[in-house]
Amino acid sequence: EDKVVQSPLSLVVHEGDTVTLNCSYEVTNFRSLLWYKQEKKAPTFLFMLTSSGIEKKSGRLSSILDKKELFSILNITATQTGDSAVYLCAVDIRDDKIIFGKGTRLHILP
Amino acid sequence: NAGVTQTPKFRVLKTGQSMTLLCAQDMNHEYMYWYRQDPGMGLRLIHYSVGEGTTAKGEVPDGYNVSRLKKQNFLLGLESAAPSQTSVYFCASSYGGGLIQYFGAGTRLSVL
Repeated sequence: EDKVVQSPLSLVVHEGDTVTLNCSYEVTNFRSLLWYKQEKKAPTFLFMLTSSGIEKKSGRLSSILDKKELFSILNITATQTGDSAVYLCAVDIRDDKIIFGKGTRLHILP
Repeated sequence: NAGVTQTPKFRVLKTGQSMTLLCAQDMNHEYMYWYRQDPGMGLRLIHYSVGEGTTAKGEVPDGYNVSRLKKQNFLLGLESAAPSQTSVYFCASSYGGGLIQYFGAGTRLSVL
């Protein structure tokens, strides 16, 4: 059975801390892994990863994929209160199958 | 910069009523998707379309129908709503399979 597991499910840290969010997967086919940030409404795209070992960066956020060990991590450095959100990981398997994890709810304390 | 627009934003239905959710995108995307998001379940794919005039089933299609008569619009219909269909519904679009999906703001549906 295809599955995507995110950990932790919830995380509370103080502003300025660094956090690492995890996404592991077991799937029958792999096209891409995507990270999204969901605040109050629509998930917004962060990263798309298709190749192992290539870090993608956007400001204080970065992500990397390990296709041998079947996981990805999302790092956020120097966290700010605006980083508070649910972070979703999704693995695109084929057109009719895109598996989302349950998300990690991140809360940044000022 | 409209992107993906969903209407309505909120709706309350009684069991057995029908309704249609509308999704419109202005990015000329070929693929469009409908998801539902329930607490503790993550996003689950209901139906999708790979182009105008095509539709296909996703992970949880039962109780829903869809149509894609125009490339920019993707409609999700509930013929006879059930309380189990209470959820937040998201529409998304992308240039193709395996690529970035852009999401609408969601429709919160309650079925009493």
